[in-house]
Amino acid sequence: QSVLTQPPSVSGAPGQRVTISCAGSNSNIGAGYDVHWYQQLPGTAPKLLIYANTNRPSGVPDRFSGSKSGTSASLAITGLHTEDEADYFCQSYDINLYGVLFGGGTKLTVL
Amino acid sequence: HVQLQESGPGLVKPSQTLSLTCTVSSGSDYWNWIRQSAGKGLEWIGRIYTSGAANYNPSLQSRGTISIDTSKNQFSLKLISVTAADTAVYYCARELHYYDDSGYEMIAFDMWGQGTTVTVSS
Repeated sequence: QSVLTQPPSVSGAPGQRVTISCAGSNSNIGAGYDVHWYQQLPGTAPKLLIYANTNRPSGVPDRFSGSKSGTSASLAITGLHTEDEADYFCQSYDINLYGVLFGGGTKLTVL
Repeated sequence: HVQLQESGPGLVKPSQTLSLTCTVSSGSDYWNWIRQSAGKGLEWIGRIYTSGAANYNPSLQSRGTISIDTSKNQFSLKLISVTAADTAVYYCARELHYYDDSGYEMIAFDMWGQGTTVTVSS
């Protein structure tokens, strides 16, 4: 069981908005460590989608946005496209575990 | 454009040593190994700095060693005493490394290899 908790799945229709939550604790997100998000398309390696809570690497559409508050973070995707169907992972650092940790991942289905 | 490529045996026998190498196309400061199995999702294995200093996930219980050869643009992972639980896709990744205003060290991964599947089985 991951220390960062994500819903196993979310879904939405094309054009809709979905959010994916990442719940942590006072030893990771709540301690001030940044949250990063990755998109993993089927059969491929994860790709950095959001870093430092809210920042998009070059080339990532502004339909993707991140936020952080307290001990949790969220990824929002607006104007869903069919090609957004993928697994999404959050990632942070935990001072009790002395290392990097990932959420369990959320499978996004575009209906 | 940085590229990373993992290489190594796809099959390792239980109790033996898993050895993987990542070849990178250009330099950076920190390099990482991450694995993904069906049962445990993504798991950070460890990281190495160009100086050779390394950090590991404590859950590996000291079974892992990461080394670097800057002259060959390669870094490697050795994992001893493997079991079926070590079966996974292994990724090498470049670290995005920065400090926030409070001095906290932040780690993300901005470039990944394509991954290599390692199966532990007799």
